Amino acid sequence: QVQLQESGPGLVKPSETLSLTCTVSGGSISTGTYYWSWIRQPPGKRLEWIAYIYYTGSTSYNPSLNSRVTISVDTSKNQFSLKLNSVTAADTAVYYCARIYYDNSRYWGAFDIWGQGTMVTVSS
Amino acid sequence: SYDLTQPPSVSVSPGQTASITCSGDALGNTYACWYQQKPGQSPVLVIYQDNQRPSGISERFSGSHSGSTATLTISGTQAMDEADYYCQAWDRGTAFVILGGGTQLTVL
Repeated sequence: QVQLQESGPGLVKPSETLSLTCTVSGGSISTGTYYWSWIRQPPGKRLEWIAYIYYTGSTSYNPSLNSRVTISVDTSKNQFSLKLNSVTAADTAVYYCARIYYDNSRYWGAFDIWGQGTMVTVSS
Repeated sequence: SYDLTQPPSVSVSPGQTASITCSGDALGNTYACWYQQKPGQSPVLVIYQDNQRPSGISERFSGSHSGSTATLTISGTQAMDEADYYCQAWDRGTAFVILGGGTQLTVL
C-alpha cells in the first residue's frame, strides 16, 4: 500500500526558508488519478491546506500563503517538496504531506492517504 | 469565500447519535469530505463524496448534504470516537482545497 513520509529540518530560524520533502513508497507518484499536497497544523489549531501538485508539475496554492510557497515534484525520486520562505514563529506547525484522490468528472477531491507529519519549529 | 464553518465542539453520551454540521458557499456546488483526527495522530478520511465510507471505516459513520450544509453523523457513539472532526470541500471555480475549522467531539 502507498505510504508517505515527510523529512526535513525540525528547526528553522526566522526569516529563513523551510524545506520539506515527502517520499512516496508503495506506488508511483506519476499515477494520473492523484494530486500530492502539503497541509499544516499549528499546535492546538486547525488544519490549513498549503498547496498541491500534479505529477506533470501543475500546481495550486492557498492564496493566503501563495507569495511565500513553492511546491515541486521529482518523479524520478518519487518525491515532492515544499519550500516556504521568510518564515516567522507563526509558521511553527506539524507539516503533513498527503495524497489527494481527485474525481475529474465530478470535480471533487479528498485526502485519502496522509504522512505521519513532521513538527517544524521556527525559532532563533 | 474559502472557508467552511463548523461548531467548535459537540458533546454526546455513549450510545447516542452525534451530528456535526459544516456550512459554506463552496458546498453549494461540490461534495463534502470528513476527517477524524485523534490527539497526536494524522487525520483519517472517514467520509468522501458526501456519504461514501472508505474501506475499513465503521458503518456507524454516515454523511449527508443539503444545499450549503453537510452533516457527519455518528450513530451509537463510542469513547473511541472522541476526536476532532474536519470537513473539506473542493472549490470548483478555483480548484482550491477548503477546510473547516474543526469540531471537537466529546463523549461524556
